[in-house]
Amino acid sequence: NAGVMQNPRHLVRRRGQEARLRCSPMKGHSHVYWYRQLPEEGLKFMVYLQKENIIDESGMPKERFSAEFPKEGPSILRIQQVVRGDSAAYFCASSAGTVTYEQYFGPGTRLTVT
Amino acid sequence: AQTVTQSQPEMSVQEAETVTLSCTYDTSESDYYLFWYKQPPSRQMILVIRQEAYKQQNATENRFSVNFQKAAKSFSLKISDSQLGDAAMYFCVNAGGTSYGKLTFGQGTILTVHP
Repeated sequence: NAGVMQNPRHLVRRRGQEARLRCSPMKGHSHVYWYRQLPEEGLKFMVYLQKENIIDESGMPKERFSAEFPKEGPSILRIQQVVRGDSAAYFCASSAGTVTYEQYFGPGTRLTVT
Repeated sequence: AQTVTQSQPEMSVQEAETVTLSCTYDTSESDYYLFWYKQPPSRQMILVIRQEAYKQQNATENRFSVNFQKAAKSFSLKISDSQLGDAAMYFCVNAGGTSYGKLTFGQGTILTVHP
C-alpha cells in the first residue's frame, strides 16, 4: 500500500509566481490535511479537506493561499504571487477518518522563493 | 485553543542508554489524543506512539513508552536502549475534540545519539 505521495519534492519559484503543490493520499483515505513547517519550527496546521469539501481552513492565510481536493485526482495547495516568507516545507497528511486522529504524512515539498 | 510545549530544544544520549523527552500541553477538550512523531534528517514524519486520553494505562511500542499524567497535562516519551537510528527531531502532538482533524505540534526536541 503506497504511502502519501507529494510532488514536487522541491520547488523553486521567483517572487510573484504561482506555486502548486500536489498530494495524493494513501489508498482508502478520504481526509487530507496540509501543514507548513518553517525552519527550526514545528508543523503548523493550514487546512483540512475531504473530497470536494473544505472542512477547516482556520490555519490558511486569508490571501493568496487556496486548497482543493477534487472528486478525482490529488489535493492541490495553491499559492499565488509567492513572497520570500512563503519559503517553507509543506507537508500533506491523510487519514481514513477523524475518530482516532491518526494521520500519515507525505515526504513534504520544500518551496524556495527567490 | 490547544497548545503544546516542549521545553527541551536539544537532548543527547549515549547509544544503549535511556533518555526521556518532556512535553506539556493545554486543552479544554475532554476527549483527545496525544502523539509523538519523529522527523529524521529525511524530513519524513513518522508516528512513534499514541495515547488516548481516556486510557489510564501508558502506551508502549517496543523501546518507546510514555508517561501520561492527565491531571498535570504532561506527556513524556522514554526511549530505552537508544540506537543511532533514533537520532531525529521529536514532536509532541495533540489532537481532539472540536478541532478534530487538526494536529497541534510542539516546537520539537532534537535528539542526538552518541556512539
